[in-house]
Amino acid sequence: AQTVTQSQPEMSVQEAETVTLSCTYDTSESDYYLFWYKQPPSRQMILVIRQEAYKQQNATENRFSVNFQKAAKSFSLKISDSQLGDAAMYFCAYRKRPGNTPLVFGKGTRLSVIA
Amino acid sequence: ETGVTQSPTHLIKTRGQQVTLRCSSQSGHNTVSWYQQALGQGPQFIFQYYREEENGRGNFPPRFSGLQFPNYSSELNVNALELDDSALYLCASSFLVAGAGELFFGEGSRLTVL
Repeated sequence: AQTVTQSQPEMSVQEAETVTLSCTYDTSESDYYLFWYKQPPSRQMILVIRQEAYKQQNATENRFSVNFQKAAKSFSLKISDSQLGDAAMYFCAYRKRPGNTPLVFGKGTRLSVIA
Repeated sequence: ETGVTQSPTHLIKTRGQQVTLRCSSQSGHNTVSWYQQALGQGPQFIFQYYREEENGRGNFPPRFSGLQFPNYSSELNVNALELDDSALYLCASSFLVAGAGELFFGEGSRLTVL
C-alpha cells in the first residue's frame, strides 16, 4: 500500500521569507501523481501544485515550487516570499495513475506566517 | 460554474444514530468521492462514485454507504454511529478523463458524535 509521510507537524516562517515543507512517500508504482494541497481554516482543500512522476522537471506555480526526487521518493514544497495568506495546513498527497484512483494523504504540516 | 457545496456544515449526533451528508458536485463533473478527516489527520478515502455506481472503496465498514444521483449530487450515509466517526467529511468532484481529473473539494461537514 502506498503511504505518504510528512515529518514536520508544524513550521513557521517570517513574512517575505522562504520555507520548505518536506514529504516522503512509499510506492512500488512507477507512474503516479504527487500533489500539495492547502487547507485554510475555511476547511476547503485547495490544490497548490501537481507533479507528474514521469516528468523530470520540477513543477512551479508562481511562488510555489517543488523539489521532486523520484529515486529518493521525496517531494518537498518551497514557498517563496511567504505571505500572511499562506498560513494553513499543507497536505502532501499521492495518486496512482490512471486518474480515477483515490488520493493518499499525509498527516499534514501546519504553517504559520509571522508578520 | 458553481463549486462543490456540502450540507450541513456542522451537526451533532449521538452514538447509534444514523446520519446523511449531502454534496452537490461542480457543474459538469461525473465523479464524486468522499473522504473522512479526523482531527489532526489527513483525509482518508471512503469511496468514489462514477455515473451512479460505486467504483472504489477504502477501508471503511459497510455501515458507510453512499449514493450518486443522475444530476451527480451525492449522499454519504453512516449507520450506527460510533464516537470515532466524529470527523470532517469532505466531498470532492471531478470529471473523469484519461490522466488525472483534478479534484475540487467542498468545505466539508463536521460531524460530532456524542
